[in-house]
Amino acid sequence: AQSVTQPDIHITVSEGASLELRCNYSYGATPYLFWYVQSPGQGLQLLLKYFSGDTLVQGIKGFEAEFKRSQSSFNLRKPSVHWSDAAEYFCAVGAGSGGSYIPTFGRGTSLIVHP
Amino acid sequence: SQTIHQWPATLVQPVGSPLSLECTVEGTSNPNLYWYRQAAGRGLQLLFYSVGIGQISSEVPQNLSASRPQDRQFILSSKKLLLSDSGFYLCAWKGARQETQYFGPGTRLLVL
Repeated sequence: AQSVTQPDIHITVSEGASLELRCNYSYGATPYLFWYVQSPGQGLQLLLKYFSGDTLVQGIKGFEAEFKRSQSSFNLRKPSVHWSDAAEYFCAVGAGSGGSYIPTFGRGTSLIVHP
Repeated sequence: SQTIHQWPATLVQPVGSPLSLECTVEGTSNPNLYWYRQAAGRGLQLLFYSVGIGQISSEVPQNLSASRPQDRQFILSSKKLLLSDSGFYLCAWKGARQETQYFGPGTRLLVL
């Protein structure tokens, strides 16, 4: 079974600073990898996903993530954070197919943005 | 395009009362459907998933049940709510042969 770890519960950055949110996964093969963002009281919105191919993936809102097989990581980055990026961020790992496909979510990282 | 709806958006219920939360998906057929619960400050806990009408798989034993009476309708129910049932309930769907889940707006449930 797959697992995913987001080691940082909270991250605080200043507006305009760069951001990196960490995600490590455990799975025997290359899984499907996702990052979602959740604003307070809202559902989860898909930021980006990786299935195969180019290991640097571009997403919405200026985010990108890099898949590193050797480190079993899929870290999310943004070069310049905006105050509106303050939210909860979830990394997810998917494997299997059909009815056996159950994605696993990390515990989430709460991003706080200082003005 | 596909859209997922959940209602109600917010619900306050007394302990011991019944519960029915509804989730519907538009613009797709035969989706896989999921119910998650998110407690305050915690991650997502998968409660139920369904790959077709009448097919429900439960991930954790609990006070809740789920049903799928129609292809694009997923209902979360309880006969008697507990205080511990409070939380944020999220419905999600994905295409039967796809890998990406899409989430609804959620329902905030407060049991008093």
